[in-house]
Amino acid sequence: DTEVTQTPKHLVMGMTNKKSLKCEQHMGHRAMYWYKQKAKKPPELMFVYSYEKLSINESVPSRFSPECPNSSLLNLHLHALQPEDSALYLCASSQAGGSSYNEQFFGPGTRLTVL
Amino acid sequence: KNQVEQSPQSLIILEGKNCTLQCNYTVSPFSNLRWYKQDTGRGPVSLTIMTFSENTKSNGRYTATLDADTKQSSLHITASQLSDSASYICVVSLKTSYDKVIFGPGTSLSVIP
Repeated sequence: DTEVTQTPKHLVMGMTNKKSLKCEQHMGHRAMYWYKQKAKKPPELMFVYSYEKLSINESVPSRFSPECPNSSLLNLHLHALQPEDSALYLCASSQAGGSSYNEQFFGPGTRLTVL
Repeated sequence: KNQVEQSPQSLIILEGKNCTLQCNYTVSPFSNLRWYKQDTGRGPVSLTIMTFSENTKSNGRYTATLDADTKQSSLHITASQLSDSASYICVVSLKTSYDKVIFGPGTSLSVIP
């Protein structure tokens, strides 16, 4: 299985809602990532988990809360979001530890709209 | 400053024609360079990945080149198809931080019949 899956594909939420995005991979990768991508812009790194521990937080507002329950799963909990948080949220995974061929595999993304 | 630039910003070509996309980077210390294809509203899909010692790598109709001396890469698409319409993103990885890659702004390619 060489796939990263994300659910849901689309999500519409109000500013007072609490929702979660889910990401799953079964490639044995030990690094997982959350990215935010606005239209016609490259992805922006939000969080990195390495061996199920948060290793990078790119100064993301606390209304985004990541969670890595196990090596295959990555969640992003959303609370009190703003309309400007509307974007495509991408999950990716890679082999941890670092190597010249450390390649990130991306999921299809969740299209989030905040009303 | 670590930076990746791509040109052109957008490109329209006729189906069946070839095209070449460019990527220039000022990233150090360099680890690898990848080209991704991203369809609208979808996640990026890897086309090629090259390290410092590799000059050329092919994946079907896609051929990427890397000149580590001039810090330039190109992606050549042969016999374009309508399904090639997408954004093509050049991504460079640093040896000091494999997780924090540097994304280029992308080239938007439209293939028309």
